[in-house]
Amino acid sequence: AQRVTQPEKLLSVFKGAPVELKCNYSYSGSPELFWYVQYSRQRLQLLLRHISRESIKGFTADLNKGETSFHLKKPFAQEEDSAMYYCALRKAAGNKLTFGGGTRVLVKP
Amino acid sequence: NAGVTQTPKFRILKIGQSMTLQCTQDMNHNYMYWYRQDPGMGLKLIYYSVGAGITDKGEVPNGYNVSRSTTEDFPLRLELAAPSQTSVYFCASGGWDTEAFFGQGTRLTVV
Repeated sequence: AQRVTQPEKLLSVFKGAPVELKCNYSYSGSPELFWYVQYSRQRLQLLLRHISRESIKGFTADLNKGETSFHLKKPFAQEEDSAMYYCALRKAAGNKLTFGGGTRVLVKP
Repeated sequence: NAGVTQTPKFRILKIGQSMTLQCTQDMNHNYMYWYRQDPGMGLKLIYYSVGAGITDKGEVPNGYNVSRSTTEDFPLRLELAAPSQTSVYFCASGGWDTEAFFGQGTRLTVV
């Protein structure tokens, strides 16, 4: 069965500092990877999916199949990036999402 | 666009009571999901559906039931509520190759 691990429950950084959220997965096939974000009092929403290979709100994520990782990075964190971030995996289109435990990011002024 | 709508937003249940969490989507998505979110535990899949009339168990289905009589609606039923079911419940929908779209969640407390 597939599994998604986010080793950091909390990341606290200062505004303007780089931030990296780690995501590791276990699945023997070629999955689709996603990052979802949940801002305070808002619903979960998609931030990135690996097949689109685009940068959203300054965030990027690269799928590393050798290391089975999909880490999320932003070079200069902003206060509005404070939120809960979830990494998720889908075995293939039409399949269900498996989520990691989430990482809370706190960006201090 | 309403997207995915869940009701109620909050509910307090007594142990042993039952209730139905409502979820409806207006995007004509075939796929619908129910997750629960426990602090520090991420989201765990309770049940999912790939189309009207078809449902399947996720990771944590015990104590819950679902039905999918229409494409739009995917209610989650709790029978004999227990304190372990205190959680935030999220409904989501998606197309075959789309992202999942989430509702705003239902915060349930069982006392």
